[in-house]
Amino acid sequence: ETGVTQTPRHLVMGMTNKKSLKCEQHLGHNAMYWYKQSAKKPLELMFVYSLEERVENNSVPSRFSPECPNSSHLFLHLHTLQPEDSALYLCASSQVGGGDYNEQFFGPGTRLTVL
Amino acid sequence: AQSVTQLGSHVSVSEGALVLLRCNYSSSVPPYLFWYVQYPNQGLQLLLKYTSAATLVKGINGFEAEFKKSETSFHLTKPSAHMSDAAEYFCAVSDDNDMRFGAGTRLTVKP
Repeated sequence: ETGVTQTPRHLVMGMTNKKSLKCEQHLGHNAMYWYKQSAKKPLELMFVYSLEERVENNSVPSRFSPECPNSSHLFLHLHTLQPEDSALYLCASSQVGGGDYNEQFFGPGTRLTVL
Repeated sequence: AQSVTQLGSHVSVSEGALVLLRCNYSSSVPPYLFWYVQYPNQGLQLLLKYTSAATLVKGINGFEAEFKKSETSFHLTKPSAHMSDAAEYFCAVSDDNDMRFGAGTRLTVKP
């Protein structure tokens, strides 16, 4: 595997379900991100992990819970979601500091539908 | 704080016509600037980036962008549009700690 991978690519869940999104980066980066992309809305930064510590969460509802066990893996745990949470969830990674311009590399996304 | 503004949420061109997607930035420090492209149901893919070297930056798929400090702009151009260029395009500005994305411009290419 190369780059940033995300699983699953598609997920349909009910409002009472619990599910998790997984992201893995194979680039040796030290920062990972979760974004939410809804139709006709700008990209919303949800969570940032730098050196495995959460540095930003942008007031995301507690029904979204991130986990970063190491610098290569990032999870987004979902529970009791609402239909308005249906969106494309994008994971990205970058190398922060060291003059690498913080260029972010994106995974293909998970298309989430909440019924 | 840094930010970008993309003028026009939707641009439509004919196949073979010039593509011009506009981006203006605001930054208190010399910026790093990026253009990303997103095809339907995919992630964002880097088209090109400006990192304070040449002001005219060439990217993939025939796209290029010019950094103009006096105009605080970083517009994306392509001389001749192809049907496969239909996608959403995002401008972004970054420093060493943070990246901010524009709202995106959807490009439609008519046959």
